[in-house]
Amino acid sequence: QQKVQQSPESLSVPEGGMASLNCTSSDRNFQYFWWYRQHSGEGPKALMSIFSDGDKKEGRFTAHLNKASLHVSLHIRDSQPSDSALYFCAASEHRNTNTGKLTFGDGTVLTVKP
Amino acid sequence: DAGVTQTPRHEVAEKGQTIILKCEPVSGHNDLFWYRQTKIQGLELLSYFRSKSLMEDGGAFKDRFKAEMLNSSFSTLKIQPTEPKDSAVYLCASSFVWSSYEQYFGPGTRLTVL
Repeated sequence: QQKVQQSPESLSVPEGGMASLNCTSSDRNFQYFWWYRQHSGEGPKALMSIFSDGDKKEGRFTAHLNKASLHVSLHIRDSQPSDSALYFCAASEHRNTNTGKLTFGDGTVLTVKP
Repeated sequence: DAGVTQTPRHEVAEKGQTIILKCEPVSGHNDLFWYRQTKIQGLELLSYFRSKSLMEDGGAFKDRFKAEMLNSSFSTLKIQPTEPKDSAVYLCASSFVWSSYEQYFGPGTRLTVL
């Protein structure tokens, strides 16, 4: 079973709209979560990380983490065509395990239509 | 600061050939990762090095895939012999272990095996 599951597989929103992406982990060892974005022809790039329960806001991007349910979401307000990309959720074990390994979900394809 | 560099960006090989992909991590980073990316399987971890020591070798990839880290600033991924099913994008990433564990990705090498 995939340890990090993302939904939906694809999402289309109008320019200026709100995009909401979801991610759930099945492994309670995962304590740290990242969102990565990959534009076509490029490598993934980290958008933001979240380690604590609640919301974390960076510009138009807000991540929300619920550690009890191991659910993390990413909300993009005022979506722009340049936000069209493949979005990955990634998780890692508690820092005490001393591993830098990330486990990635399968991704959500976001399309923002002008 | 220079990001992760990967060469070549594109590679076309005949079935049975040996190919070597190259990666230069971000200067000062001590974790290095090789991934394979396909639409069907998503991001799959091939190898993980910490300070040049092999930490994890993706089990399914052991027989024909060999990653090496010759020094802290250079890594190679050898595929021998290549098969058409190896056609994919190969990504290299690096991170600084005593920081946030954020992985910085290169642009990838697109491999086509005929």
